[in-house]
Amino acid sequence: GQNIDQPTEMTATEGAIVQINCTYQTSGFNGLFWYQQHAGEAPTFLSYNVLDGLEEKGRFSSFLSRSKGYSYLLLKELQMKDSASYLCAVVDSNYQLIWGAGTKLIIKP
Amino acid sequence: GAVVSQHPSRVICKSGTSVKIECRSLDFQATTMFWYRQFPKQSLMLMATSNEGSKATYEQGVEKDKFLINHASLTLSTLTVTSAHPEDSSFYICSAGGTSSYNEQFFGPGTRLTVL
Repeated sequence: GQNIDQPTEMTATEGAIVQINCTYQTSGFNGLFWYQQHAGEAPTFLSYNVLDGLEEKGRFSSFLSRSKGYSYLLLKELQMKDSASYLCAVVDSNYQLIWGAGTKLIIKP
Repeated sequence: GAVVSQHPSRVICKSGTSVKIECRSLDFQATTMFWYRQFPKQSLMLMATSNEGSKATYEQGVEKDKFLINHASLTLSTLTVTSAHPEDSSFYICSAGGTSSYNEQFFGPGTRLTVL
């Protein structure tokens, strides 16, 4: 079966750095998305990786290793508004999105 | 990025009634739209893929006669929850992704359905 694993919840301090990991086992791979979802709202796009390596976009970076079935989202200079759930989603060989359960990130002052 | 709207944002209805949710892509044409359901503290669950001008493709376990999907134009898809029951209470989210599902999906703001 297809599976995506993320930690359920993480806590970090304002101003610090946090890394949210995502491991996947899917039938084929055509890219990996990270989305941010605030409580009661729809997800918003953060990043898309299809090749190995690090993609940096401001305070957020996303890394992919296809051989290891592994990705992480790195958030720097954390702000209180970064408190949200972060969803990892993989595009499989049928171009279907397989969603992880999400990681709830709690930022403390 | 592209904008997707949903209406209504919140609806409360009595058990047994039907509720229609609209999803519109405001500044691009979406040949494919997706309908998701999300229960509290859970991830998104894909319900169906809506294709303009053809029948929707439903995920396993989703009753097509209960969740009616119509994608009559390139900018509008509707989801009708028929004979709603309290267990249908959930957050329903649509997304649009252009011509293929592996492209970035743009999500609507979601519709909170509460069935009494």
